[in-house]
Amino acid sequence: EDQVTQSPEALRLQEGESSSLNCSYTVSGLRGLFWYRQDPGKGPEFLFTLYSAGEEKEKERLKATLTKKESFLHITAPKPEDSATYLCAVLNSGYALNFGKGTSLLVTP
Amino acid sequence: DGGITQSPKYLFRKEGQNVTLSCEQNLNHDAMYWYRQDPGQGLRLIYYSQIVNDFQKGDIAEGYSVSREKKESFPLTVTSAQKNPTAFYLCASTENRDSQETQYFGPGTRLLVL
Repeated sequence: EDQVTQSPEALRLQEGESSSLNCSYTVSGLRGLFWYRQDPGKGPEFLFTLYSAGEEKEKERLKATLTKKESFLHITAPKPEDSATYLCAVLNSGYALNFGKGTSLLVTP
Repeated sequence: DGGITQSPKYLFRKEGQNVTLSCEQNLNHDAMYWYRQDPGQGLRLIYYSQIVNDFQKGDIAEGYSVSREKKESFPLTVTSAQKNPTAFYLCASTENRDSQETQYFGPGTRLLVL
């Protein structure tokens, strides 16, 4: 059975304090790993898709990496507006995404 | 502007009542999905549709029904058989270009039971 585990559940950072969020997965036939950002009361906003081990993608202060067992979302010099819940999901041979429970990030000034 | 719209933003259901959540997209996406989100849990798949007039059950389909009569629309009905309907409901659609699938989400509907 496919499993997606995100850690930590919650993370509090000071503005400018870089850190990483983890998404570990077990899935047969990974077709893609997805990162989303979700603000309270809103739908998830797409950030990145990674397809193969060694792949990296960047967007502003965010960088996503992928290995055969896990993905990291690195946040460099975060700002308060980066506060949100970050969701990881995997796509296998089926048609729908399998989501982790998310990491709630709070960045304080 | 292209996107996914969901309505209403908030919906109240009385006991024994069926309610329908709307999802419309103008992205020309073939596939559409319904997820349910509860506090502290990941998104769980209710139903999905890969093509008009066809849909499949997800992991938690009991107490829900859908239809896909048009490519743009994928409404979800929460029936009286769903005993714990209070949740945040998210509709999504998939863009499939060159085997790279990106799933986009609507703004969500919060369903509350009176």
